Amino acid sequence: EAGVTQFPSHSVIEKGQTVTLRCDPISGHDNLYWYRRVMGKEIKFLLHFVKESKQDESGMPNNRFLAERTGGTYSTLKVQPAELEDSGVYFCASSQAGQGMNEKLFFGSGTQLSVL
Amino acid sequence: RKEVEQDPGPFNVPEGATVAFNCTYSNSASQSFFWYRQDCRKEPKLLMSVYSSGNEDGRFTAQLNRASQYISLLIRDSKLSDSATYLCVVNTGGRSSASKIIFGSGTRLSIRP
Repeated sequence: EAGVTQFPSHSVIEKGQTVTLRCDPISGHDNLYWYRRVMGKEIKFLLHFVKESKQDESGMPNNRFLAERTGGTYSTLKVQPAELEDSGVYFCASSQAGQGMNEKLFFGSGTQLSVL
Repeated sequence: RKEVEQDPGPFNVPEGATVAFNCTYSNSASQSFFWYRQDCRKEPKLLMSVYSSGNEDGRFTAQLNRASQYISLLIRDSKLSDSATYLCVVNTGGRSSASKIIFGSGTRLSIRP
């Protein structure tokens, strides 16, 4: 069974450009999360989808970030325009529905974003 | 105050040693707890859940102290392959609120031959 896959694995862009990250969760996982780790800091929550709906987007830094999950399958995270402080590793994770508080996340290998 | 706090380390111990990490959480309504492991430049992977009664998985033992709001991880007979960053993860949702999974900043462990 395929795990969580993310594309691209690395992206180097200039300040002001646009970048779109993609995440394909494990098939059948309703929950999809985006997290971000900037250098030297903890992994921080960005947002949570349940199927195609945004359950919680309280971690999104600002309106330059837009996440979508049309059809409840794969998700995209677009940063427009990118700023230097957006550099970091963006992780996607998915989990099955119905686990309640025992929810276990499966992570993709992340996208390393570098904004120059 | 951070919601989940860990000693960042690094812990540098010889192979075969026993090492323990602690983690504290601020939300007393938190319901579930986990340890994840992250190798350099890789994604986090679930190591083990932490149950109220404490639980063991081979050389790894996890404990939860709800009164003091801390979680611990004990690694016995450490191996070179245990070198990694260990992430304390807390689901801060309570029974009446949606789950929210929060990561600590991680504790780096390095096992030397």
